[in-house]
Amino acid sequence: GAGVSQSPRYKVAKRGQDVALRCDPISGHVSLFWYQQALGQGPEFLTYFQNEAQLDKSGLPSDRFFAERPEGSVSTLKIQRTQQEDSAVYLCASSLGTSWGGYTFGSGTRLTVV
Amino acid sequence: GIQVEQSPPDLILQEGANSTLRCNFSDSVNNLQWFHQNPWGQLINLFYIPSGTKQNGRLSATTVATERYSLLYISSSQTTDSGVYFCAVWAGNNRKLIWGLGTSLAVNP
Repeated sequence: GAGVSQSPRYKVAKRGQDVALRCDPISGHVSLFWYQQALGQGPEFLTYFQNEAQLDKSGLPSDRFFAERPEGSVSTLKIQRTQQEDSAVYLCASSLGTSWGGYTFGSGTRLTVV
Repeated sequence: GIQVEQSPPDLILQEGANSTLRCNFSDSVNNLQWFHQNPWGQLINLFYIPSGTKQNGRLSATTVATERYSLLYISSSQTTDSGVYFCAVWAGNNRKLIWGLGTSLAVNP
């Protein structure tokens, strides 16, 4: 596609509910990243994929967070048993190669846990 | 780990004014990017600038890697320039971007 597409755009979850956030990167982009942005803060790294391989998941805040990219294109970020502190904007970004290069970000999914 | 500091935290301009945003980083970096996050939350890549100077229309950026800072210049500001400007760096062998807290810019008509 022309850009990075994320869905849903907004998600309200009750505390304890599981959620799944989807990212469609730009076609052919090898690298895919997930970031979490709390209100008034800069984005915080969650995890990185190179094709289908999850090479870095050091930023995932707990074992309730899980990400996958099984075919090296679409990625899903899953949060189990959501808590209020999970409320944030979840941003996906992709880049063409694996060397240092510019990212293209999606519009994000705003998650509110009530 | 590496620290990224941006200044000023907030900035209010009258349309047509010029401004300079600064990004300091605490250690050597492999690369640096400037982003604009518009009021709807979309992050737009402005510059990918490990060193030197780049210009794109009314915006330009300069990175002096040896002195660990980067500057973003906005000339003849417009209301559409409003939003938050982030500086983000890569360091070491990991691929994560380390972000500053941003400069929140409001341009008034």
